[in-house]
Amino acid sequence: AQTVTQSQPEMSVQEAETVTLSCTYDTSESDYYLFWYKQPPSRQMILVIRQEAYKQQNATENRFSVNFQKAAKSFSLKISDSQLGDAAMYFCAYRRDDKIIFGKGTRLHILP
Amino acid sequence: DGGITQSPKYLFRKEGQNVTLSCEQNLNHDAMYWYRQDPGQGLRLIYYSQIVNDFQKGDIAEGYSVSREKKESFPLTVTSAQKNPTAFYLCASTQLAQGANYGYTFGSGTRLTVV
Repeated sequence: AQTVTQSQPEMSVQEAETVTLSCTYDTSESDYYLFWYKQPPSRQMILVIRQEAYKQQNATENRFSVNFQKAAKSFSLKISDSQLGDAAMYFCAYRRDDKIIFGKGTRLHILP
Repeated sequence: DGGITQSPKYLFRKEGQNVTLSCEQNLNHDAMYWYRQDPGQGLRLIYYSQIVNDFQKGDIAEGYSVSREKKESFPLTVTSAQKNPTAFYLCASTQLAQGANYGYTFGSGTRLTVV
């Protein structure tokens, strides 16, 4: 069965600094998709970034980028120039076919 | 605007009662999902449906029931058999096109509290 592990329950970063959130996953498949979701205090889930496993190039969305290491089954999220609005729970997720499996999340605090 | 609507936002249930959480989408998405969120547990899948009149159990289906009579609607009933129903419930939907890299679109959630 596929699993998604986020080893950092909480992290803090100074405003304007860079932070990296870790995620590893376990699968025997070669074709799948990976996602990072953000859940701010409003609890609305927001898709931050997605990565197709067959693409070697790391996905980037403005200040958000990933480091996708397929062989190591690692999918970390880097947030550059952290802003107060980035404070949230971040969930790493894996999709294969019709279901998405989520990690337990990392709570990110932004220090002013 | 297209999206997913969950209602109510807050729901209180007495011991022994069944309650139904509503989830409606106007995105023409094929699949719909119900997740339960507890502190430190992430999102756990309760039920999902890929097509009208069909649905499958997720990882924690005991004490819950669903129906999918219309493509747009996927209500979740929390029955009295669910021993610890207090949680935040999220509904989601997605397209199922082969090879699609779609994530989910989420509703804004329902907070259920047993009183």
